[in-house]
Amino acid sequence: GAGVSQSPSNKVTEKGKDVELRCDPISGHTALYWYRQRLGQGLEFLIYFQGNSAPDKSGLPSDRFSAERTGESVSTLTIQRTQQEDSAVYLCASSLTRNNEQFFGPGTRLTVL
Amino acid sequence: GENVEQHPSTLSVQEGDSAVIKCTYSDSASNYFPWYKQELGKGPQLIIDIRSNVGEKKDQRIAVTLNKTAKHFSLHITETQPEDSAVYFCAASKGTYKYIFGTGTRLKVLA
Repeated sequence: GAGVSQSPSNKVTEKGKDVELRCDPISGHTALYWYRQRLGQGLEFLIYFQGNSAPDKSGLPSDRFSAERTGESVSTLTIQRTQQEDSAVYLCASSLTRNNEQFFGPGTRLTVL
Repeated sequence: GENVEQHPSTLSVQEGDSAVIKCTYSDSASNYFPWYKQELGKGPQLIIDIRSNVGEKKDQRIAVTLNKTAKHFSLHITETQPEDSAVYFCAASKGTYKYIFGTGTRLKVLA
């Protein structure tokens, strides 16, 4: 079946611009997660959705980062006024319920010039 | 906060040899330890996991061992093949969705 998909696969933007990253989870998965992967680093947890609500936003690095999920499906991660340090791969994952195996998408590589 | 250290950062082995990757965690309340394989251009994929009530788990050529006293766990790949070449990540969790990941090991299997 279809896995987790993300778009775009690559995004180059200029410092100060806003970007939106999209995640389509596996159908029926109630839990959705966003991670950031900086070059040579492990995955950093950003936010967790259960259904359309986000009970844990503790990993969002600043108020420039926000995310939403609609229809218990698609999620969008928005970064406002991008900075060069935002350059990273942003990974989305979903799981059937909160404590089940997380399935990852291929990620969006964001480059801020 | 919780921290997971992973070593080595890169590892090259000859095809057919074994590879071992080690991780150390800081929070003794951690009880779930998954390992992920990430191939170029793809997201991480779970390859094996272990819970704290078990000391070792095997799945064909892959095994994971856990030493709760020392707070470290290891991934063992035997009879390595070129398709094992990838970046491997360990992680630790207190049984919830929040995983703390290691920094990754780039494994190269030389033919």
